[in-house]
Amino acid sequence: GDSVTQMEGPVTLSEEAFLTINCTYTATGYPSLFWYVQYPGEGLQLLLKATKADDKGSNKGFEATYRKETTSFHLEKGSVQVSDSAVYFCALSSNTGNQFYFGTGTSLTVIP
Amino acid sequence: DGGITQSPKYLFRKEGQNVTLSCEQNLNHDAMYWYRQDPGQGLRLIYYSQIVNDFQKGDIAEGYSVSREKKESFPLTVTSAQKNPTAFYLCASSVSGGLDIQYFGAGTRLSVL
Repeated sequence: GDSVTQMEGPVTLSEEAFLTINCTYTATGYPSLFWYVQYPGEGLQLLLKATKADDKGSNKGFEATYRKETTSFHLEKGSVQVSDSAVYFCALSSNTGNQFYFGTGTSLTVIP
Repeated sequence: DGGITQSPKYLFRKEGQNVTLSCEQNLNHDAMYWYRQDPGQGLRLIYYSQIVNDFQKGDIAEGYSVSREKKESFPLTVTSAQKNPTAFYLCASSVSGGLDIQYFGAGTRLSVL
């Protein structure tokens, strides 16, 4: 079945460091891919999305490219800030069903 | 403002008690979802509904029940049959399901007394 595998955390970075959070997926159809962010005690917010191969989603300095050949959707940011501290979830929605599939989440802490 | 409202923010359940979590949306979305989130884990789907008066079991439906009598409302009842209900519960909605973006409420944290 469809699934998402995300790199395990927690990840701790200094402010202005480069961030990569790896995400790979398994899907039978042509999924859309998403990154969501969750701040402490809150629900999930959509960070960015990509709906087809080679699409790049971007928002707030974060980017991720839909790579069909490597079945990946890695999240990157060139210079993280303390305010980026949160849990990040990779997700896919499959056109063969009606579900989203979420990764286990990666906790990011950015220290000044 | 359009959005999804979950209430209460915190809820406590006694042994043998059923409790109901509220989820209301004013986004005019057809599809609604309930997820359970445990510490250090991803989201697991409990139930979803793509249209009024219809809903489907997700991956962990045992011990839970839902109703969808109105488009904007999708309450979740945690029954006494759910032996480990302590978790963070998230409600979401999307325009019509499938590939659509899901929008989330702020969540309800349920604990057992």
